[in-house]
Amino acid sequence: QKEVEQDPGPLSVPEGAIVSLNCTYSNSAFQYFMWYRQYSRKGPELLMYTYSSGNKEDGRFTAQVDKSSKYISLFIRDSQPSDSATYLCAMSARPNQAGTALIFGKGTTLSVSS
Amino acid sequence: DGGITQSPKYLFRKEGQNVTLSCEQNLNHDAMYWYRQDPGQGLRLIYYSQIVNDFQKGDIAEGYSVSREKKESFPLTVTSAQKNPTAFYLCASSHLQGRGSTEAFFGQGTRLTVV
Repeated sequence: QKEVEQDPGPLSVPEGAIVSLNCTYSNSAFQYFMWYRQYSRKGPELLMYTYSSGNKEDGRFTAQVDKSSKYISLFIRDSQPSDSATYLCAMSARPNQAGTALIFGKGTTLSVSS
Repeated sequence: DGGITQSPKYLFRKEGQNVTLSCEQNLNHDAMYWYRQDPGQGLRLIYYSQIVNDFQKGDIAEGYSVSREKKESFPLTVTSAQKNPTAFYLCASSHLQGRGSTEAFFGQGTRLTVV
């Protein structure tokens, strides 16, 4: 079982739809959770950062972490064509765990049509 | 502006050549990372460094080498031993855990092609 699982899609939605992107993970030591957006041929840019369980909202984006289920989500409200990109989840362990590098999902490709 | 700069944006390598990819950051981050991205593979960790003059192998370090002589710089050399080097290479940096938030910030990538 891979440490982080993410459905690669592609996911196609009409403009204005609510989008739900998800990742599951197996390592219970993960405490820090991130979502990155990557446009074609560009570096990933950080969208959301959360620590431990709970919700975090930033504009049209909401990140949820459910540590009991080892499941994280990113919701995009009122999706726009400019949201068309690949979305990567990433996570890392507590400070006292060996290694500090992020573990990434494979990314979900989202296409929003106007 | 603070950020991470990777150069060059595109790089072509002949068979048997070593090439070096540059990564510089002015974010005062202690940790720096190199990832490789292939279609459908996500990001795979090559090397990372938490402090000057120290670095650790990631999941796919074979055929690569790095140095960390300065806090701001973490160059990656793709050696001739790397049999399939054509990929998109991403450099990132972050604070160390316990010294601030740990999210990583990425450069814009270098696309390496073997010709």
